[in-house]
Amino acid sequence: KQEVTQIPAALSVPEGENLVLNCSFTDSAIYNLQWFRQDPGKGLTSLLLIQSSQREQTSGRLNASLDKSSGRSTLYIAASQPGDSATYLCAVRLAGANNLFFGTGTRLTVIP
Amino acid sequence: DAGVTQSPTHLIKTRGQQVTLRCSPKSGHDTVSWYQQALGQGPQFIFQYYEEEERQRGNFPDRFSGHQFPNYSSELNVNALLLGDSALYLCASSQGVVTGYTFGSGTRLTVV
Repeated sequence: KQEVTQIPAALSVPEGENLVLNCSFTDSAIYNLQWFRQDPGKGLTSLLLIQSSQREQTSGRLNASLDKSSGRSTLYIAASQPGDSATYLCAVRLAGANNLFFGTGTRLTVIP
Repeated sequence: DAGVTQSPTHLIKTRGQQVTLRCSPKSGHDTVSWYQQALGQGPQFIFQYYEEEERQRGNFPDRFSGHQFPNYSSELNVNALLLGDSALYLCASSQGVVTGYTFGSGTRLTVV
């Protein structure tokens, strides 16, 4: 069974700081990996999708990398803003499967 | 372009009752998945529907059942509700395997 771990569980940073969120997974036979943002009590907003053949994806201030062989992904957020405060979840899809395995998320607080 | 729409947004039910949650997928998507998210946890896969059939199921009891209609919308039914069924229920839609999943805002179910 795929296990997805996210470290740290919570992170608090001052506005303007660059930060890295980590995601690790146990089964490297993945099809893709997706990073989501979740505001309290709300649904999931997709941030970035990385296919297994890709090494990274970028969208604005966000950059996600994937190292399939080591079972790791990172989400880099540049110049953090208070509006970035949310829980960030990573999810992996195994090759041949139709479901996502989620981590428990990193709760980010950006202090003005 | 409407995203994934879920109804209702909130629901309070009594233990032992039955509940039906509804989901309309994003335009152009033909596959619907349902997830359960307990407080402080990552979403857990319940099942996925494609071409009106259950294509894959997670580790949930038979009390959880679903349906997909010809217009690709879907329902999640939960019978004999338990207090432990209290959670945020998320619907996700997709098209093929390349595009990733789009999630709705969820239905918050409280069982009392």
